[in-house]
Amino acid sequence: GQNIDQPTEMTATEGAIVQINCTYQTSGFNGLFWYQQHAGEAPTFLSYNVLDGLEEKGRFSSFLSRSKGYSYLLLKELQMKDSASYLCAASDSNYQLIWGAGTKLIIKP
Amino acid sequence: IAGITQAPTSQILAAGRRMTLRCTQDMRHNAMYWYRQDLGLGLRLIHYSNTAGTTGKGEVPDGYSVSRANTDDFPLTLASAVPSQTSVYFCASSDADNSPLHFGNGTRLTVT
Repeated sequence: GQNIDQPTEMTATEGAIVQINCTYQTSGFNGLFWYQQHAGEAPTFLSYNVLDGLEEKGRFSSFLSRSKGYSYLLLKELQMKDSASYLCAASDSNYQLIWGAGTKLIIKP
Repeated sequence: IAGITQAPTSQILAAGRRMTLRCTQDMRHNAMYWYRQDLGLGLRLIHYSNTAGTTGKGEVPDGYSVSRANTDDFPLTLASAVPSQTSVYFCASSDADNSPLHFGNGTRLTVT
């Protein structure tokens, strides 16, 4: 079957670095997406990886290892506004997205 | 402002009633999607449309129907609502395979 695993909840301190992991199993693979979702709002796109390696975009970076079925989202210099859920989604052979349940990130001052 | 508009924002519905959730986009995206989001579960695809005039079933299509008469509109209909359809419903669009999804603000539906 197809599935995505990511931690349910993480806590980090303002100004610190946090890494949110995601493992996936899909029928075929066409890339890995990360979305941010603030409470009561819609998900918004953060990053897309299809090749192995690290993609950096400001304070946020995303890493992919296709051989391990593994990705992570790295958030640096955490700010209170980064408190949100982070959704991992893998694109399968039909370009359908398989979604994880999301990781709720709590930032403490 | 370009994007996706969903209506209503929230709704309380009696079981057995019919309900249509509206979704309109002005980005001229070919593909549109309906997802439901429930606590502790990932987004689950209900129905999708790759282009105007075509629709397909997602992971959880039972009890829902959609139509795609034109590029901009993608309504979702619950023919006879049941309490298990209580959820937050998101409409989304994208312009190509593996392009990021743009989401509407969601409809919070409670079926009593």
